[in-house]
Amino acid sequence: QQPVQSPQAVILREGEDAVINCSSSKALYSVHWYRQKHGEAPVFLMILLKGGEQKGHEKISASFNEKKQQSSLYLTASQLSYSGTYFCGTDSGAGSYQLTFGKGTKLSVIP
Amino acid sequence: KAGVTQTPRYLIKTRGQQVTLSCSPISGHRSVSWYQQTPGQGLQFLFEYFSETQRNKGNFPGRFSGRQFSNSRSEMNVSTLELGDSALYLCASSLGQGTNSPLHFGNGTRLTVT
Repeated sequence: QQPVQSPQAVILREGEDAVINCSSSKALYSVHWYRQKHGEAPVFLMILLKGGEQKGHEKISASFNEKKQQSSLYLTASQLSYSGTYFCGTDSGAGSYQLTFGKGTKLSVIP
Repeated sequence: KAGVTQTPRYLIKTRGQQVTLSCSPISGHRSVSWYQQTPGQGLQFLFEYFSETQRNKGNFPGRFSGRQFSNSRSEMNVSTLELGDSALYLCASSLGQGTNSPLHFGNGTRLTVT
């Protein structure tokens, strides 16, 4: 099942904060976050693993609630460069080689 | 380090034809995954290869196939093209340690079927 992302779209002014959520109906082993700018490839932001390990960029923060099968991406003091579509990708089994992506959250940061 | 390279960038094909897309992963990456991206469905997993073996396949018809070569380069083929196959096809490489490893995406091949 495809994870559900919310909100679908959000508009921020520079300096404002945002939270993007990702919910799954299945137990999760890992959650990935990617950002895609128009006409470009998705770029890796963060991996959150069952058990608490995280891998990713220092300036990005995220949480992973294993019991609720949810992850949230926190964007603070947003910059124009944060604009793009954010995707979460989930994996429900250890040893899996497949990510199931949500439909994305379009973030627009305006001056 | 060079990124993931996909060729061609754009393709226009006619219904019923077949097409082959190519992906060269980052040097040292042995896993290659393919995704179909459309506005309505988002990113849909096609298949994943590691050391020339398909380890997982998504829910796509048999018209979609792929392979990986000994140098980790990968190709995907779509036969008997349908209008609904129009999409951006993204290839991603990783070190292959399951989903513990980040995916590094190429810029994609934009396929238009007329």
